[in-house]
Amino acid sequence: ETGVTQSPTHLIKTRGQQVTLRCSSQSGHNTVSWYQQALGQGPQFIFQYYREEENGRGNFPPRFSGLQFPNYSSELNVNALELDDSALYLCASSMDSLWGYTFGSGTRLTVV
Amino acid sequence: GDSVTQMEGPVTLSEEAFLTINCTYTATGYPSLFWYVQYPGEGLQLLLKATKADDKGSNKGFEATYRKETTSFHLEKGSVQVSDSAVYFCALSEPGANSKLTFGKGITLSVRP
Repeated sequence: ETGVTQSPTHLIKTRGQQVTLRCSSQSGHNTVSWYQQALGQGPQFIFQYYREEENGRGNFPPRFSGLQFPNYSSELNVNALELDDSALYLCASSMDSLWGYTFGSGTRLTVV
Repeated sequence: GDSVTQMEGPVTLSEEAFLTINCTYTATGYPSLFWYVQYPGEGLQLLLKATKADDKGSNKGFEATYRKETTSFHLEKGSVQVSDSAVYFCALSEPGANSKLTFGKGITLSVRP
């Protein structure tokens, strides 16, 4: 097992720009989820992919989108960045979600 | 909808003190319950889990029992160490295709020598 790897670790963007965050999951982990963690808060569910299809979405606008690839990597794309999008973005993958997810260390996004 | 409520923090304890962090939940079905820990500057690590009523999850001296009658999953440790200082999140996941994790707000634990 190689764990869940996210890149970049830190990122600064300007309001209105677009950003792509990347995640490399463990082999065999068909489910990948993305979470937004604002400072001092618990992670909030953005969306989930299972075998490259989105199968669940939280209360986030359509400018948050994602992709999952056959090689267990995935992307989170955010368009038209807003200041409130500043947060830690966490990727989590699982082989069987009822037994828990493995989280990456996150990407710290700052929008200025 | 599903929700998780954690006790207000932060919590500061002396080394070797007893720890209890309260967690209660609301769910429509029979969720799995989890405790995750987040060390400074890092992502979340699964600490322990329980998948059905009366199950006890345990790891690294931490324990939590799935109490369906009180919808609770309180985290306990008999003797905390300085290295236990971190943020602790209680979470649940409902069975089904979209088994997202619903987290509490988290609580910061500081253990002083």
